[in-house]
Amino acid sequence: NAGVTQTPKFRILKIGQSMTLQCTQDMNHNYMYWYRQDPGMGLKLIYYSVGAGITDKGEVPNGYNVSRSTTEDFPLRLELAAPSQTSVYFCASSYIGDTQYFGPGTRLTVL
Amino acid sequence: GQQLNQSPQSMFIQEGEDVSMNCTSSSIFNTWLWYKQDPGEGPVLLIALYKAGELTSNGRLTAQFGITRKDSFLNISASIPSDVGIYFCAGPNNNDMRFGAGTRLTVKP
Repeated sequence: NAGVTQTPKFRILKIGQSMTLQCTQDMNHNYMYWYRQDPGMGLKLIYYSVGAGITDKGEVPNGYNVSRSTTEDFPLRLELAAPSQTSVYFCASSYIGDTQYFGPGTRLTVL
Repeated sequence: GQQLNQSPQSMFIQEGEDVSMNCTSSSIFNTWLWYKQDPGEGPVLLIALYKAGELTSNGRLTAQFGITRKDSFLNISASIPSDVGIYFCAGPNNNDMRFGAGTRLTVKP
């Protein structure tokens, strides 16, 4: 199993640009999550999904959108990038909503 | 929402020393999780605790779920250089997951 994979590893965006961060898991997990981690800080939950077709807002959802059309994929969309969205983004998955397995992260800079 | 407070924020220790860090909350958690994050990587689960009072070990790591369900601690015995990293506590909040701000551990050889 590859576990949780994320692409790209790094990205630089200009203010106002849009992009999609990809996340895929091959563990047949029901739950998937998107977090952001700012320098020196813990993780903040952006959105999560408890199964295909179901998504919910986390602690910091503003400026982001998600979709969950399949069990494996959970892409995160930034429509109008802002400098405040400069962060490291982690995707995670879990089977029943407790123990989470994380991807390697996407480092995003918005200039 | 539920907040997790971790302390200390950072620790600088000598190789071979024991380390203790803790996590507290104003609300009850039914599960406590401890993760480690290496530089440039995602967090990796170290220990999961599911029952108040539970004491669980994973090699040199030992974690306890507090009796009040509002706290947990993590001990690392005989630290080695590869213990360097950031240690996070976390707890599920319904379908959400809350993380502490982390304890940054530096081990001097």
